[in-house]
Amino acid sequence: SQTIHQWPATLVQPVGSPLSLECTVEGTSNPNLYWYRQAAGRGLQLLFYSVGIGQISSEVPQNLSASRPQDRQFILSSKKLLLSDSGFYLCAWGQGSSNQPQHFGDGTRLSIL
Amino acid sequence: SQQGEEDPQALSIQEGENATMNCSYKTSINNLQWYRQNSGRGLVHLILIRSNEREKHSGRLRVTLDTSKKSSSLLITASRAADTASYFCATGWMGGGTSYGKLTFGQGTILTVHP
Repeated sequence: SQTIHQWPATLVQPVGSPLSLECTVEGTSNPNLYWYRQAAGRGLQLLFYSVGIGQISSEVPQNLSASRPQDRQFILSSKKLLLSDSGFYLCAWGQGSSNQPQHFGDGTRLSIL
Repeated sequence: SQQGEEDPQALSIQEGENATMNCSYKTSINNLQWYRQNSGRGLVHLILIRSNEREKHSGRLRVTLDTSKKSSSLLITASRAADTASYFCATGWMGGGTSYGKLTFGQGTILTVHP
């Protein structure tokens, strides 16, 4: 069966520090991968998606970047964190069709001090 | 702009009662999905209804879709305390080109079921 892992579960970082969040998927090949951010009590905002190794599309301008160095690995990064980067970050995978569900990791709670 | 909007934003009921949540959207869709999120966790897919379907059931869940009104509803029957969670609708993009499986999520309904 397919599984998706995100780490760390929680992270507290000072303003201006770098960031690296990792997401890995097991049990499927060539998945579409997605990074979302969720503000407290709000819906999900799609940040990046990837349809293959090295292929990244950004949905919104921001201080973050994403990379996909391997088929089942998706990384969210920042060189210098801002206070506004605080939030709950969720990684998801899908089969590439919006007629299929997406499957989510358990998220990373990021707090910027 | 946000595609799906859930109503109500929060719902508080007693165990055993039914819970109904609504979702409205703006553009044409090829399907609508409902997800559940327990506090501090990721989303879990509940049910998908295609644009040519009007109603779908899964256990205690019943979803309806009215494409003429651009709205959907999620009914949870005989609710349990364990149903306490946030519920989100998500729409699949319909249009020319490739959607890449992208979904647009609503703001969610927070459901609290009191034992």
